[in-house]
Amino acid sequence: AAGVIQSPRHLIKEKRETATLKCYPIPRHDTVYWYQQGPGQDPQFLISFYEKMQSDKGSIPDRFSAQQFSDYHSELNMSSLELGDSALYFCASSEQGANYGYTFGSGTRLTVV
Amino acid sequence: ILNVEQSPQSLHVQEGDSTNFTCSFPSSNFYALHWYRWETAKSPEALFVMTLNGDEKKKGRISATLNTKEGYSYLYIKGSQPEDSATYLCAFNNAGNMLTFGGGTRLMVKP
Repeated sequence: AAGVIQSPRHLIKEKRETATLKCYPIPRHDTVYWYQQGPGQDPQFLISFYEKMQSDKGSIPDRFSAQQFSDYHSELNMSSLELGDSALYFCASSEQGANYGYTFGSGTRLTVV
Repeated sequence: ILNVEQSPQSLHVQEGDSTNFTCSFPSSNFYALHWYRWETAKSPEALFVMTLNGDEKKKGRISATLNTKEGYSYLYIKGSQPEDSATYLCAFNNAGNMLTFGGGTRLMVKP
């Protein structure tokens, strides 16, 4: 079965550079979520999209932006990278509704040096 | 900021032992409680999504209960096996679609 695809798997960037992370949800899933997990920390919600519109916003820095495209894939754009942005970034998708669990991608590990 | 707490943080058991751990969450504005199993180097895998007070769900040797009035859920593993070693995450949904995750319980099962 198709899963949530994230790319790239690993990314190394220097401070003040820009990074773009991509997420391809499971077909027919209309909601995409982005989470950030720093070293030794709980996953923190960043932002979500439902039917290509932003639906919820969490602790996403102003330096980050995201969007969901017409094919439902989503991109997280991160600018002016800081050392503290080094983390595992998970994307998940689901159908709308309380009864549906998330399906997570394998994550993108971003290292800022 | 929603407070979702899991205990214990880590747990070492012997193969064959049964074990359980706790997730506590706010008892107001409850919408759903999720449990995920997260193995190292893999992505979290959904175990249960629970929506009704008193819900009990079971998947093989793993089961979960839910008390929304007092704000807790228990996850039980019967006859633990080494392959059960993972971090078990609970996540609370309070009527948005956004999940707030607990810190997880890291389970290690020794053969």
